[in-house]
Amino acid sequence: GAGVSQSPRYKVAKRGQDVALRCDPISGHVSLFWYQQALGQGPEFLTYFQNEAQLDKSGLPSDRFFAERPEGSVSTLKIQRTQQEDSAVYLCASSLESGDEQYFGPGTRLTVT
Amino acid sequence: LAKTTQPISMDSYEGQEVNITCSHNNIATNDYITWYQQFPSQGPRFIIQGYKTKVTNEVASLFIPADRKSSTLSLPRVSLSDTAVYYCLVGEPGGSYIPTFGRGTSLIVHP
Repeated sequence: GAGVSQSPRYKVAKRGQDVALRCDPISGHVSLFWYQQALGQGPEFLTYFQNEAQLDKSGLPSDRFFAERPEGSVSTLKIQRTQQEDSAVYLCASSLESGDEQYFGPGTRLTVT
Repeated sequence: LAKTTQPISMDSYEGQEVNITCSHNNIATNDYITWYQQFPSQGPRFIIQGYKTKVTNEVASLFIPADRKSSTLSLPRVSLSDTAVYYCLVGEPGGSYIPTFGRGTSLIVHP
C-alpha cells in the first residue's frame, strides 16, 4: 500500500505568515509523530498522537506551533506567525503502535524569508 | 531516558564490512535498540531492532553484548548506495516512548 505522504513538499513563507503542513499516515496506523529536522541535525521530536489523542506535545518549540489529528488519520501541523528559525524540514512518521517501527514521509521543507 | 553516543562520521570503501557502535550506558531493562538510515532529502528508514544478543535481517546485523550498554550495527559488503546517516535509538516500545535521534553517524562509502 501507499506509504506516508506529506504536502506540500516545499513551502516558502514570509516571516509572520501562517503555514499548515499536512501528513497522511499509513492507513490503520495508530501512532503518528511530527519531527523537526534542521540542516545537519537529526530529527527532533515535536509531538505524538495515538489515534486522535495528542499524548505528548512537549517538543513543540513555542505556542505558535499547533498540531491536530481530529479523526485519527490525517494530521496537520500549523505554525503561526512564522519566524526565520522555523526554517527546517518537518517530518511525519506513523507506526502501527507506539514503539513499533516508524514509517517516515518525505518531509516538508519550510523556508521562512 | 537513555542517552546514546555514536561516532559523528565514518569512511569506508565499497565491498568492506562496516561496523557502527552506539553506546547507551543507561539503557533500561525494557528498552529496545533500533537503528534507522537516512538518505539526503528523505525521511529516516527503519533498518533493524533488537533487545539482546544478535539480530540479522536482509540488510544488516545488530550485535548486543550481554550488558546491553552498547550495540553494533554491522553492514556487510557496503556499496556506494549505503552512504547515509545512521541513527541509534533506545526506548521502551509502547507507553510514553519518545524517539530521540541525536546527530547520527554519517557514513561515506568511497569507490
